[in-house]
Amino acid sequence: QLHLQESGPALVRPSETLSLTCSVSDDSFSRGSHFWGWIRQPPGKGLEYIGTVYYTGSAFYNPSLESRVNISVDASKSQFSLRLSSVTAADTAFYYCTRLPRAGHWLRSFFDFWGQRILVTVSS
Amino acid sequence: EIVLTQSPDTLSLSPGDRPTLSCRASQSVTNNYLAWYQQKPGQAPRPLIYGASRRATGIPDRFSGSGSGTEFTLTISRLEPEDFAMYYCQQYGSSPITFGQGTRLEIK
Repeated sequence: QLHLQESGPALVRPSETLSLTCSVSDDSFSRGSHFWGWIRQPPGKGLEYIGTVYYTGSAFYNPSLESRVNISVDASKSQFSLRLSSVTAADTAFYYCTRLPRAGHWLRSFFDFWGQRILVTVSS
Repeated sequence: EIVLTQSPDTLSLSPGDRPTLSCRASQSVTNNYLAWYQQKPGQAPRPLIYGASRRATGIPDRFSGSGSGTEFTLTISRLEPEDFAMYYCQQYGSSPITFGQGTRLEIK
């Protein structure tokens, strides 16, 4: 059974960089049959797409966040990571790591598996 | 980007009812790449439907999706108590991926 686990600091200071890692429990990460992504949800609000990555490192980002976002992979550890720079209070949210099946366009699909989420608060 | 507008914002119904949730796209969704999710408080969203009408793994057949182009619908044939939740649509036909604002299905 696949398990996605987000990890990272729960509190980030304004203007600093938010860094999260998603650990993928099974060996599907490098098989190439899926994409991997990040989504966030401010408390009490809707879902926002952040970006998608393939195990090779090829990535696509939401244009609204592209100037501040980087998603990288460590295939040897079956992990992928999110970095969001210059954070403000508006970046306070639950962050989900997700899996996307390769059904559709390159780096674009629906989300068939979700992590349990991690709340990141931006505050001084 | 494609803007998805869900209606209504809130739907108040009783167990046994047959709700229809709507998702309207600002432009045609390529290949009808439209998904639906259910989210309960404190939980991650759960995929219900993808490709507009295909049920995700383990989803009961009381959930069905339909539509094409810019108009999509999620129907629950007979509401069960566990179906009261938030529902989101998502398109993946165009970049970037976008979500609707959600419909809250609450007990009347």
